[in-house]
Amino acid sequence: DAKTTQPPSMDCAEGRAANLPCNHSTISGNEYVYWYRQIHSQGPQYIIHGLKNNETNEMASLIITEDRKSSTLILPHATLRDTAVYYCIVQIYNQGGKLIFGQGTELSVKP
Amino acid sequence: GAVVSQHPSWVICKSGTSVKIECRSLDFQATTMFWYRQFPKQSLMLMATSNEGSKATYEQGVEKDKFLINHASLTLSTLTVTSAHPEDSSFYICSASGGGASYNSPLHFGNGTRLTVT
Repeated sequence: DAKTTQPPSMDCAEGRAANLPCNHSTISGNEYVYWYRQIHSQGPQYIIHGLKNNETNEMASLIITEDRKSSTLILPHATLRDTAVYYCIVQIYNQGGKLIFGQGTELSVKP
Repeated sequence: GAVVSQHPSWVICKSGTSVKIECRSLDFQATTMFWYRQFPKQSLMLMATSNEGSKATYEQGVEKDKFLINHASLTLSTLTVTSAHPEDSSFYICSASGGGASYNSPLHFGNGTRLTVT
């Protein structure tokens, strides 16, 4: 299983872009990178996912390096409500969508 | 968007009793659902994969006789914690994929069930 490495915590000023890095050096060619976040005492919320190309949606942008060994989640204008634990997960191929969570990055957005 | 509902959101039970937690996909059919457990200050730990119409697949170290999973329909999976003990107190979360659990379809999570065993 491709493991991910994320910094345990990060701070970001409100209104600024939050850039959350993730290393996944053992990722296989057909494995997707998924990002979720979890606000205290709630279920994880899907943010974005990608395979090779950069992706953008209404919540965030996902930048995947050309060798696919790392990625960055970008929240363009962080708000206080973006304070959460962010999980970068490499989905195991051909196992029904199973996701194995790592420790994630605790993002604190400060006023 | 795809919505997964869990019930109850919290439950308190006495040691030795059993507790059932329901997980429903409200606007899609889910042939596969996943059950996770999360202790305070820790990440989510996958317990088992629930397959509609067949037996669940448990992760290593998870007791299948203690955590009974039933997935009788395409929209409902249940997790029963049998003979609960205080160490089973945890946050239980289910998830399902609206895309048939393909590798290009995100899982959607319920809001979790906080179980406290006294």
